[in-house]
Amino acid sequence: NAGVTQTPKFRILKIGQSMTLQCTQDMNHNYMYWYRQDPGMGLKLIYYSVGAGITDKGEVPNGYNVSRSTTEDFPLRLELAAPSQTSVYFCASRTGDSRETQYFGPGTRLLVL
Amino acid sequence: AQSVTQPDIHITVSEGASLELRCNYSYGATPYLFWYVQSPGQGLQLLLKYFSGDTLVQGIKGFEAEFKRSQSSFNLRKPSVHWSDAAEYFCAVGGHSGGYQKVTFGIGTKLQVIP
Repeated sequence: NAGVTQTPKFRILKIGQSMTLQCTQDMNHNYMYWYRQDPGMGLKLIYYSVGAGITDKGEVPNGYNVSRSTTEDFPLRLELAAPSQTSVYFCASRTGDSRETQYFGPGTRLLVL
Repeated sequence: AQSVTQPDIHITVSEGASLELRCNYSYGATPYLFWYVQSPGQGLQLLLKYFSGDTLVQGIKGFEAEFKRSQSSFNLRKPSVHWSDAAEYFCAVGGHSGGYQKVTFGIGTKLQVIP
């Protein structure tokens, strides 16, 4: 049982480039989340999904897109990378019970130059 | 709107000393409260959670937290800190908003443990 996996672990992008951050979970969780973590700022929700085919914006969605074609996968797309998107990105998932914890992936560190 | 305040950005304690990390929340109803720990280069791991019942909750690694509704607090405690507890700790509050669970994280408290 791998839990939540994220690829890549680290990436350097040039301004204007695009990339997809991959997230996969093998726990059959309906809810999946993408956060970014900046120093001294805690975690900010970018997008979330409550099931395959259903996604919605979080607190900081600008510059990002997501899709959820399967229960397992929840990729995050950056279309035109900007220095402000330099951050550590975490994917998380949980069951449908609000009292349950979110399970986090190990994170992707992104540097935009 | 829900919010979480962790007033201490950085705390240093000696190994073997007791620890208390503060967390205050703002939420309109009974909240779901969580403490997570993040070791360097790692994702977040749940230490403990509260959603109802006994206001003193036990977690992993010897941690506990007490929910105090009157003070809107959910402070994390450990009676004797080990060097391996050095990490960043996040308090979070969750609840339903618009049909989904929204979890708001504090900015974190970085714990340093000195020998």
